Amino acid sequence: DVKVTQSSRYLVKRTGEKVFLECVQDMDHENMFWYRQDPGLGLRLIYFSYDVKMKEKGDIPEGYSVSREKKERFSLILESASTNQTSMYLCASSFSGTGVFGYTFGSGTRLTVV
Amino acid sequence: AQSVAQPEDQVNVAEGNPLTVKCTYSVSGNPYLFWYVQYPNRGLQFLLKYITGDNLVKGSYGFEAEFNKSQTSFHLKKPSALVSDSALYFCAIILYNFNKFYFGSGTKLNVKP
Repeated sequence: DVKVTQSSRYLVKRTGEKVFLECVQDMDHENMFWYRQDPGLGLRLIYFSYDVKMKEKGDIPEGYSVSREKKERFSLILESASTNQTSMYLCASSFSGTGVFGYTFGSGTRLTVV
Repeated sequence: AQSVAQPEDQVNVAEGNPLTVKCTYSVSGNPYLFWYVQYPNRGLQFLLKYITGDNLVKGSYGFEAEFNKSQTSFHLKKPSALVSDSALYFCAIILYNFNKFYFGSGTKLNVKP
């Protein structure tokens, strides 16, 4: 069964901490994505990557960075966590060059910053 | 610019009744159309998609959707709702040679016993 695995389901961090959210996929997908989901705002794209060591900003990149050192792993980094980054974070992956297969999503990480 | 609209934040239906969750889109080109479902505190799960061919597509859990090119719509339907269908539903579009989805804002489906 193909999977996108997010390392934590629930996470509580303090304001100002550096936070790492990890995502690993086993489908040899080229593309990987980080979204945050908030009530009433739907899914908002933070960053995405089309290849190893490549990254592109999404719609709301401020306060975040990413790392993709290996094809299967895409990390989201909150440089200095703030309470307004309390949210549900979703990782997704897909094949490159064609949208026919859609995305595969991880189970999500619910992050609370206190 | 590409966009997806789900005009209803919430849909309420009684168990056993038919349900419809609406989706319209605006795109330059021919998109692929998807529906995803999200249960509480979970990620999104694929439900069904339209790529080409028959306008009526069938998916998981008895759901189906009808692609209407003239109305640029892709409404999700089910003949008889179950309480277990209660969840958040997202419509999404992607162009065939692109890598990025455009998502609707989501519709919360409440099925009451």
